[in-house]
Amino acid sequence: EAGVAQSPRYKIIEKRQSVAFWCNPISGHATLYWYQQILGQGPKLLIQFQNNGVVDDSQLPKDRFSAERLKGVDSTLKIQPAKLEDSAVYLCASSWGGTLTDTQYFGPGTRLTVL
Amino acid sequence: GENVEQHPSTLSVQEGDSAVIKCTYSDSASNYFPWYKQELGKRPQLIIDIRSNVGEKKDQRIAVTLNKTAKHFSLHITETQPEDSAVYFCAASGYSTLTFGKGTMLLVSP
Repeated sequence: EAGVAQSPRYKIIEKRQSVAFWCNPISGHATLYWYQQILGQGPKLLIQFQNNGVVDDSQLPKDRFSAERLKGVDSTLKIQPAKLEDSAVYLCASSWGGTLTDTQYFGPGTRLTVL
Repeated sequence: GENVEQHPSTLSVQEGDSAVIKCTYSDSASNYFPWYKQELGKRPQLIIDIRSNVGEKKDQRIAVTLNKTAKHFSLHITETQPEDSAVYFCAASGYSTLTFGKGTMLLVSP
């Protein structure tokens, strides 16, 4: 089966600029996750969608980060304005069901560098 | 919230040796414990997982053990090969989000 797709793969911006990332989950997967992975650390959940509704966004810095899931399929994550500490890999993952025991399949990630 | 500690941060072994990575978690409600392998520049991939109603699970050269009383679980890789070199992450979840450890870089020398 086709995996989770993400674009772009790399992005370099200056602080205070805006940036958007796109994710296309595995076909039929109801749940979509966005993670932030800072160098040398494990992924940290930013937001979880089930279909087109938000399940958990408690760790999303809502003053600068926003996300939406268009028609319950593709999703975009936006940062506006970016800060130096936002430099990280942004991973999208999807799972078939809505429980946390369902296997999550990760995309290749977008590496963001904020200068 | 859940807190997952992972040790060691780096592990170097000779090809053919065994490797053990240990994790502890804080939330006694956690009941699902996956392990992911992430090669340099690539996506994390699930290699094995265990649920709290099971104490041990094996898949060829990989095994995971879980001690719910002590709140720790471990990944065991036997007969290591150079292609096992990667960063390994443990994670735990219960009723809240999947929380990852900081990762262990495993280096297998030929």
